[in-house]
Amino acid sequence: EAQVTQNPRYLITVTGKKLTVTCSQNMNHEYMSWYRQDPGLGLRQIYYSMNVEVTDKGDVPEGYKVSRKEKRNFPLILESPSPNQTSLYFCASYYRADTEAFFGQGTRLTVV
Amino acid sequence: KNQVEQSPQSLIILEGKNCTLQCNYTVSPFSNLRWYKQDTGRGPVSLTIMTFSENTKSNGRYTATLDADTKQSSLHITASQLSDSASYICVVSAKRGANNLFFGTGTRLTVIP
Repeated sequence: EAQVTQNPRYLITVTGKKLTVTCSQNMNHEYMSWYRQDPGLGLRQIYYSMNVEVTDKGDVPEGYKVSRKEKRNFPLILESPSPNQTSLYFCASYYRADTEAFFGQGTRLTVV
Repeated sequence: KNQVEQSPQSLIILEGKNCTLQCNYTVSPFSNLRWYKQDTGRGPVSLTIMTFSENTKSNGRYTATLDADTKQSSLHITASQLSDSASYICVVSAKRGANNLFFGTGTRLTVIP
């Protein structure tokens, strides 16, 4: 079954404690993206990747890092989380930039 | 500026009734327009993708229309069911660039018995 898998689904952490949210896809897609979703703001792109070792900033990259060492995985790293990064995060993958995006189930992150 | 605006922000309808959601966009150059359904706390799931040359596309009880001249799209839901309660997000893709998806803020639909 084609899917995008994120882990964990829920995470509560304290300010400054580094964390990683994993994302894996089994569709051999070249493109992967991370989004955050906040009430009233819709989905905003954090980072995206067009292929292995190729990443670029989206609209709201501050405070986040990503890596793409292999095609299927695209982890999101928060080196020093802050309360304003409390949000619902989604990973997505797609075959080409203009094709359907498949989203993961989301990670609800709370930073206290 | 590339933007996608959806209306209404929220909508409550009785089970069995029809409804129409609107999406206006200014994204250029246009590649395609997608409608996604997002259940609370879950990832968006694609309903339809429409290119410039398509003006209607159906997926079961969901029918999307696209007017590329006026840059408007609508999503019509027929004979609503309780399971249709969700947010519906309009996403427009531009032709150039990998950072080329523009999201609306969604319409929150609640279907009541």
